[in-house]
Amino acid sequence: DAGVIQSPRHEVTEMGQEVTLRCKPISGHDYLFWYRQTMMRGLELLIYFNNNVPIDDSGMPEDRFSAKMPNASFSTLKIQPSEPRDSAVYFCASSFGTSGKTEQFFGPGTRLTVL
Amino acid sequence: GENVEQHPSTLSVQEGDSAVIKCTYSDSASNYFPWYKQELGKRPQLIIDIRSNVGEKKDQRIAVTLNKTAKHFSLHITETQPEDSAVYFCAAVSNTGFQKLVFGTGTRLLVSP
Repeated sequence: DAGVIQSPRHEVTEMGQEVTLRCKPISGHDYLFWYRQTMMRGLELLIYFNNNVPIDDSGMPEDRFSAKMPNASFSTLKIQPSEPRDSAVYFCASSFGTSGKTEQFFGPGTRLTVL
Repeated sequence: GENVEQHPSTLSVQEGDSAVIKCTYSDSASNYFPWYKQELGKRPQLIIDIRSNVGEKKDQRIAVTLNKTAKHFSLHITETQPEDSAVYFCAAVSNTGFQKLVFGTGTRLLVSP
């Protein structure tokens, strides 16, 4: 298995533009997580899904952020409009929680820079 | 909700010394405590974990201890090596949280040769 796949790996955009981050979880995993990492705030959970259904989105900073999981092998995190304070590394992670295993496998991350 | 505090924020040791990182948690329902290592520019990766039904777990040079009464757990690295240099995150999962990890703020460990 290739592990969790994220794209793009780097994104530079201007304030006000729409940004879409993509994630492919490990095949067979039933949980998917979106995290944001910054020096100031550390590693924050934004939202997570179980069997494609959003379970907890309390970490989503504001209405500019939205996430979808249309099927078991794909998820997106969208920021519209983007702002400089959204600059961060965004990680996607997945796990096979139903089995009782709780290890989360992280993707390589997307480094987002909003100018 | 769960709150996890981690100390110290930075830790410098000489190669061969031991390193200890401590975390406390607030939710007594938490029952799973993983530790992740993140090397510079890389993704976090699980290095060891412990469940609330045991007090200690070892894996070669790494060990984790858990004190449920005091609600704290610690990571112990013995015979540190330069490749142990990284940021280490503790986390806690509540049995009511459906796999939701709450991370500590991280400890930057620097091992000098």
